[in-house]
Amino acid sequence: DVKVTQSSRYLVKRTGEKVFLECVQDMDHENMFWYRQDPGLGLRLIYFSYDVKMKEKGDIPEGYSVSREKKERFSLILESASTNQTSMYLCASSASSKSYNEQFFGPGTRLTVL
Amino acid sequence: AQSVSQHNHHVILSEAASLELGCNYSYGGTVNLFWYVQYPGQHLQLLLKYFSGDPLVKGIKGFEAEFIKSKFSFNLRKPSVQWSDTAEYFCAVTLFSGGYNKLIFGAGTRLAVHP
Repeated sequence: DVKVTQSSRYLVKRTGEKVFLECVQDMDHENMFWYRQDPGLGLRLIYFSYDVKMKEKGDIPEGYSVSREKKERFSLILESASTNQTSMYLCASSASSKSYNEQFFGPGTRLTVL
Repeated sequence: AQSVSQHNHHVILSEAASLELGCNYSYGGTVNLFWYVQYPGQHLQLLLKYFSGDPLVKGIKGFEAEFIKSKFSFNLRKPSVQWSDTAEYFCAVTLFSGGYNKLIFGAGTRLAVHP
């Protein structure tokens, strides 16, 4: 069964802290994605990666960075958390981006920045 | 910029009522269209998709959607909803940009079905 897991379901951090959100997929997928989900805004793409050590900016990359050292793992980093980064963060993976393949989503991490 | 619009942010229905959720996109090229669903406390999952061929596509749990190219629309329908359909529904469109496919999501529609 397809599985995308995220390190935490709920996280509370303070303004200025460095925050790491981890995502692991067990499907040997090439592509991985980080989105944030906010009420009334849907899902917005932060960053995606199409291969190990490769990354591309999505629509809202400001304030975030990513790391993909291994194929199965994609990390989202908030260098200095701010209150406007309080949100639900969703990770997804797919087999290839050259032709569309279904994206599979993790359960999400609800981050609160105080 | 390409965008996806969902007309209703909140919909409340009684069981057995019919459902139609609107979705329009702004992109003139070839599109792949999707509806995703997020049940309370669960992962976002694919409900149905359209790539080509018959514009009326059927998905899981009795849902269907119709692609009308001239109207840039991909509305989701179900003839008779159940309490278990209570969820948030997202329309999405693929955008091929910079050599990669990306998904553009609508804002979502929260559906509440009352017994």
